Amino acid sequence: GDSVTQMEGPVTLSEEAFLTINCTYTATGYPSLFWYVQYPGEGLQLLLKATKADDKGSNKGFEATYRKETTSFHLEKGSVQVSDSAVYFCALTSGNTGKLIFGQGTTLQVKP
Amino acid sequence: EPEVTQTPSHQVTQMGQEVILRCVPISNHLYFYWYRQILGQKVEFLVSFYNNEISEKSEIFDDQFSVERPDGSNFTLKIRSTKLEDSAMYFCASSGASGRARTDTQYFGPGTRLTVL
Repeated sequence: GDSVTQMEGPVTLSEEAFLTINCTYTATGYPSLFWYVQYPGEGLQLLLKATKADDKGSNKGFEATYRKETTSFHLEKGSVQVSDSAVYFCALTSGNTGKLIFGQGTTLQVKP
Repeated sequence: EPEVTQTPSHQVTQMGQEVILRCVPISNHLYFYWYRQILGQKVEFLVSFYNNEISEKSEIFDDQFSVERPDGSNFTLKIRSTKLEDSAMYFCASSGASGRARTDTQYFGPGTRLTVL
């Protein structure tokens, strides 16, 4: 079945460092791809999405490009802030009902 | 900005008891979902609901689980006889203002933490 694999965490960076969180997927058909963020004690918030190959999603300085050839959707940010500390989930839509399949989540800790 | 709300935020129950988790999706959305997240694990799909019926359910969603949209605004998840392993954070989500489930963004509620003792 469809699946999402994310890099293991936690990822610890200093403020203003460059961030990459790797995400690869296995899917039949043409899924949409998402990054969700979960801040401590809160629910899931959409960070960005891409609905077809070569689309780039972006929001709040974060970017990810839908790469069909490498089945990847890596999350990047040029300069992280302490406030970016959270758990990041890569996800795809599977099937016709829109259900989301999530990766295991990657914890990001940004230190001042 | 419209948001998905869930009540209660935390529910503690004894094993074998019934619980009902409540959600109010965004009002013009068409698709509704429940997910759960066991502590420290990934978010798992439970069930999707469209046009007043279940459109898909996972293996987790067995006969102990049911969903209902009783009044056109609330969307509930019932667990008939809770087990210890049902302890998790349960998230409700809604999407589909445009009717395209595969591409529409799902908006999540803040979750209900269920603790089964």
